[in-house]
Amino acid sequence: QQQVKQSPQSLIVQKGGIPIINCAYENTAFDYFPWYQQFPGKGPALLIAIRPDVSEKKEGRFTISFNKSAKQFSLHIMDSQPGDSATYFCAASITGFQKLVFGTGTRLLVSP
Amino acid sequence: DAEITQSPRHKITETGRQVTLACHQTWNHNNMFWYRQDLGHGLRLIHYSYGVQDTNKGEVSDGYSVSRSNTEDLPLTLESAASSQTSVYFCASSARTGGYEQFFGPGTRLTVL
Repeated sequence: QQQVKQSPQSLIVQKGGIPIINCAYENTAFDYFPWYQQFPGKGPALLIAIRPDVSEKKEGRFTISFNKSAKQFSLHIMDSQPGDSATYFCAASITGFQKLVFGTGTRLLVSP
Repeated sequence: DAEITQSPRHKITETGRQVTLACHQTWNHNNMFWYRQDLGHGLRLIHYSYGVQDTNKGEVSDGYSVSRSNTEDLPLTLESAASSQTSVYFCASSARTGGYEQFFGPGTRLTVL
């Protein structure tokens, strides 16, 4: 049972492009939506997170867009760089429960 | 510096053997989690703990067990390893209050032959 659906599975963009990764959730009780970044051979690390009281959050070149009515959120990477090549996971959680439900991941390759 | 470590980093075992994967954190976090990562499935929660003596089943707990005797450690035991349990296993921890950020260990790659 996949509670958070993520797409695409893989993505290739050129340096400077704007990759977009999309996630959709089913459980309306979710109220915390983080994105994790994972480099090969490493554990995931928190990149950016959003709560449903805002529609957009920016941190550096990374932006989360959130659409509560559609139950969708997405990650945009501005001016992407080869160093951004990694696997990205979206996730969702309910306040008070701490545990995260992860999407299936998107492998991003940014070509020089 | 506080950290979370996992051992071993790589393990090869045979079907039917009992295997224990170690997870140790020095963040003094109350919450600890075990995930398995498989291509096409992302990260799936196996077991989690909100504190000493507390353990809970996650999404894919069959064939796995955990125990929490102190704050720092949450070992994951595969009672009788199966080939379907070949995977990369990640341990994570988070604070009881404040943010929800989970800090992940470097992972253990387990192969069951």
